[in-house]
Amino acid sequence: SAVISQKPSRDICQRGTSLTIQCQVDSQVTMMFWYRQQPGQSLTLIATANQGSEATYESGFVIDKFPISRPNLTFSTLTVSNMSPEDSSIYLCSVGQGANYGYTFGSGTRLTVV
Amino acid sequence: DAKTTQPNSMESNEEEPVHLPCNHSTISGTDYIHWYRQLPSQGPEYVIHGLTSNVNNRMASLAIAEDRKSSTLILHRATLRDAAVYYCILYSGGSNYKLTFGKGTLLTVNP
Repeated sequence: SAVISQKPSRDICQRGTSLTIQCQVDSQVTMMFWYRQQPGQSLTLIATANQGSEATYESGFVIDKFPISRPNLTFSTLTVSNMSPEDSSIYLCSVGQGANYGYTFGSGTRLTVV
Repeated sequence: DAKTTQPNSMESNEEEPVHLPCNHSTISGTDYIHWYRQLPSQGPEYVIHGLTSNVNNRMASLAIAEDRKSSTLILHRATLRDAAVYYCILYSGGSNYKLTFGKGTLLTVNP
């Protein structure tokens, strides 16, 4: 299965600033996703990162707030823009190859906005 | 996405088997049943998946009901390291390849 390197592992940021999270995979993968996990909650899908085209966002998430890039089949970034304390969460990337394969998750980025 | 229902929490003793249930009465014929677990302070980890037949791997076994409306994840001998939140997810792929997480079952393993 794929191995994911996600950076940074944690950060403390000032409100109003932006943070870019990187997700590097050790092999080419078809599908990449970004999730958010708020404190004590389950995972919520933010968007599907599409290679060479705009990401597909889930209801409640918009590109201006969470711009995503995916320049190739092994790398993606998620930016959390104009942060507020409500953005304090764990952000995770995930990759998959299809329904008959297990998905792999990064270890997450723990973001605290002060 | 078809929904799953899991108990909020379960408790087990170390070295005993654990049976984690999942109900999915609206499952469609193309839905795979995936199980993931999330250890404290880590990202989710793939455990096992199946379509119709029971499945075994080094981590666990997956027992799927004949009508596929329910399934059970079996940990044969629980260890303290198995304490985690376990998620049962239906996944059909197609043009919608995303995994949708419910609340899962928090498994506590007692020494």
